[in-house]
Amino acid sequence: EPEVTQTPSHQVTQMGQEVILRCVPISNHLYFYWYRQILGQKVEFLVSFYNNEISEKSEIFDDQFSVERPDGSNFTLKIRSTKLEDSAMYFCASSERPKKETQYFGPGTRLLVL
Amino acid sequence: GENVEQHPSTLSVQEGDSAVIKCTYSDSASNYFPWYKQELGKRPQLIIDIRSNVGEKKDQRIAVTLNKTAKHFSLHITETQPEDSAVYFCAAKAVETSYDKVIFGPGTSLSVIP
Repeated sequence: EPEVTQTPSHQVTQMGQEVILRCVPISNHLYFYWYRQILGQKVEFLVSFYNNEISEKSEIFDDQFSVERPDGSNFTLKIRSTKLEDSAMYFCASSERPKKETQYFGPGTRLLVL
Repeated sequence: GENVEQHPSTLSVQEGDSAVIKCTYSDSASNYFPWYKQELGKRPQLIIDIRSNVGEKKDQRIAVTLNKTAKHFSLHITETQPEDSAVYFCAAKAVETSYDKVIFGPGTSLSVIP
């Protein structure tokens, strides 16, 4: 069964550094998402992406964050200047077509900002 | 915006007993309600979902009920097994509007005691 994949599984960075988290959504999916989960807390929506543009973003997704689909398979989340509070698990998700309900999650990237 | 609440936050049951997790949502436009199971350090996995045109759905030992009038939905797990131990998240989504994000509840940590 196809799955969403993410790399790296773990990332440690210094505060102020840029990080890029990578995702490969399920191949026939058209909607892509990033969520984050701070340790012990609930999963929070960051951004959704469709047709090469952001369709919705949360208040968490400020100017430090950006997303990109650089080619036909990858979907990336960039944090320009990391802060301590960006430490979290970041999940990518994808769904099959616009307004299709079910979102499938990747295994996550655990980001630690020191 | 949508707000999803979930109770209890922790739940311990003896193996073989039933477990019930209850959620409420605030946005009457929400019409899709997935339930995710998250084992420690792993991705959220969709275990069952329900749409607003249905009041109840069952899949083997798992059932969900939805009361749209009261904005309540519940997860029922019967004949619990130790491998059911995990954090369970309810969620809500308004499929037909521009809001394509999934709003998660805070989670219920279920422990099944052998």
